[in-house]
Amino acid sequence: SQTIHQWPATLVQPVGSPLSLECTVEGTSNPNLYWYRQAAGRGLQLLFYSVGIGQISSEVPQNLSASRPQDRQFILSSKKLLLSDSGFYLCAWSKGLGGTEAFFGQGTRLTVV
Amino acid sequence: SQELEQSPQSLIVQEGKNLTINCTSSKTLYGLYWYKQKYGEGLIFLMMLQKGGEEKSHEKITAKLDEKKQQSSLHITASQPSHAGIYLCGADFGGSGTSYGKLTFGQGTILTVHP
Repeated sequence: SQTIHQWPATLVQPVGSPLSLECTVEGTSNPNLYWYRQAAGRGLQLLFYSVGIGQISSEVPQNLSASRPQDRQFILSSKKLLLSDSGFYLCAWSKGLGGTEAFFGQGTRLTVV
Repeated sequence: SQELEQSPQSLIVQEGKNLTINCTSSKTLYGLYWYKQKYGEGLIFLMMLQKGGEEKSHEKITAKLDEKKQQSSLHITASQPSHAGIYLCGADFGGSGTSYGKLTFGQGTILTVHP
């Protein structure tokens, strides 16, 4: 069966510090991978998605970047965090071109202070 | 304006009562997904609807997609405290099957069930 792991679960970082959140998927190959952010208003916003190694698409301009160094590894990064980067970050995966459900990790609560 | 609107934003019911959550799109949906989230946790997949008029059930939860594929409802029968959480609808607007699974989410509905 497929599983998705995301860490850390919580993170408190000072403004201006770097960020690295990691997500890995097991039990499948060539998944589509996604980073979403859930702000206080509860809705989820798609930040990045990737259909293959090294292929990253950004959905919204921001202070963050994503990378996919391996087939089942997805990393969310920032060189200098802003207060507005605080939120709940969720990694997800799905298969194919669309029309199949996405499965989510447990999320990372990031607080920038 | 939101492409996907959920209503109500919050709902408080007594255990045993039925309830309905709605999700309305400004565009035709290629697929509609319902998820449940406990606060501070990841999303749990509930159901996926793709065909106009489609209806699916799992235990006491039923989801429907209207014929025009622009509105979906989630109905819980005889609610229990375990149903409490945030319910989110997610839309695939890909249309031609090349959306790569990108989802646009509604704002969510917070459900509280009092025992």
